[in-house]
Formats: sequence, structure tokens, C-alpha cells
Amino acid sequence: DGGITQSPKYLFRKEGQNVTLSCEQNLNHDAMYWYRQDPGQGLRLIYYSQIVNDFQKGDIAEGYSVSREKKESFPLTVTSAQKNPTAFYLCASRQGPNTGELFFGEGSRLTVL
Amino acid sequence: AQTVTQSQPEMSVQEAETVTLSCTYDTSENNYYLFWYKQPPSRQMILVIRQEAYKQQNATENRFSVNFQKAAKSFSLKISDSQLGDTAMYFCASLHTGTASKLTFGTGTRLQVTL
Repeated sequence: DGGITQSPKYLFRKEGQNVTLSCEQNLNHDAMYWYRQDPGQGLRLIYYSQIVNDFQKGDIAEGYSVSREKKESFPLTVTSAQKNPTAFYLCASRQGPNTGELFFGEGSRLTVL
Repeated sequence: AQTVTQSQPEMSVQEAETVTLSCTYDTSENNYYLFWYKQPPSRQMILVIRQEAYKQQNATENRFSVNFQKAAKSFSLKISDSQLGDTAMYFCASLHTGTASKLTFGTGTRLQVTL
């Protein structure tokens, strides 16, 4: 079945450590997105990529980094510079930048201890 | 910047009744999409319904329908014959096409369906 796979589902990190969240899709979609979800704030865009080897900052990119070396993969690194990293992270993809809705993964819950 | 506003943080409806969730948005563009997503306790985001701005006819998907008022920039979701499985967070979102197209979400409405 086609879909988006995020891993790990739950992750604990000590302060000062970087952590990478995986996002893989087999939908052959061009565009991929990372959102952060906090209680009462909806979803906020961190980074997005409309094509391989290219990506743009979203509304809250500080403290995060991404890469898009392959069409199916869009990993997100939460760096130690991110001041409040505990959150629920959602990856999504879309067929093209101007087509259709987003399809979402099941999310990753990051907790900083 | 695009904004989406959901003014109802929480709502409750009895099973089999009808409920309407409100959403307004702000845009200066002509070409855009609007969506309602559902997020149940599993936290998986599920598309409920979509509307293309150029279409005047309101979208309908089984028990879900929208009231799209383009001039007023309003996009409400009506759920008919509510079921317990409709209990979830509902997010309104807008997508503006173009070189920097991205989905903008509202803050969500928590819907509780009761017996």
C-alpha cells in the first residue's frame, strides 16, 4: 500500500542532543512537508521541499534542518539550537506544488528530558 | 501571509444531530483550495473534504458538506447525522497555488459527539 512512514513514533532526547526524524513516502509525490503541532496552536510549517535537492524554510525553521537527496525521503533534524523541541511532528506529501491535498504520516512524538 | 481562523475551540453535539464548524480565511489570491482535516485520538490527519475556490458549488462527501462563501471568505463544515466516530479535532486549511504553495492551518476545533 502507498503511504507515508514516519519513524520513530516516540523519541526521547536529552537537552543538547541533535535528533533526526525520518519520513519516507512511496506515493511518488514531488512535494514534502514537515509540520509541528503543539496544543492550541494547530499545525505550523517548519520546512518544505517541492523537488529533490531543493527545500524552503517555513514559518518556524529556526533550530531545524532538512535534506532532500531522494524523492521519497525528507528527514528532519531537530538541533540543540531549537529552544523548545518537545512536540508532535507530522510529515506530509503532495503530488505536486499546485495539485491536491496533503497526505500525512502518523507522526512522531519528541520529548526532551 | 495567509491566515485561517477557527473561532470555536470546542464543540459538542449529540449523536444523530447536525453540527456546523466555522472557519474564516484571509487571502488576496484568486486560485486556492480549502480543506477540512480530521484528527482523531490516533493523531493521524485524515482529509474530510476539499473545495476549489473557482467552483461555486459547495462540496459534499456523504454526511459532510461545506458552506463556501467566497466573498465573505468563509468555509464552514456541516456534519449531519453525527456519529461517535466523528469525535476528533477538526482543522480548516487553505492552500494557495503558486511558486511557494503551502498549506496553512487553523488552530482547530475539538468536537465531542455524545450519546
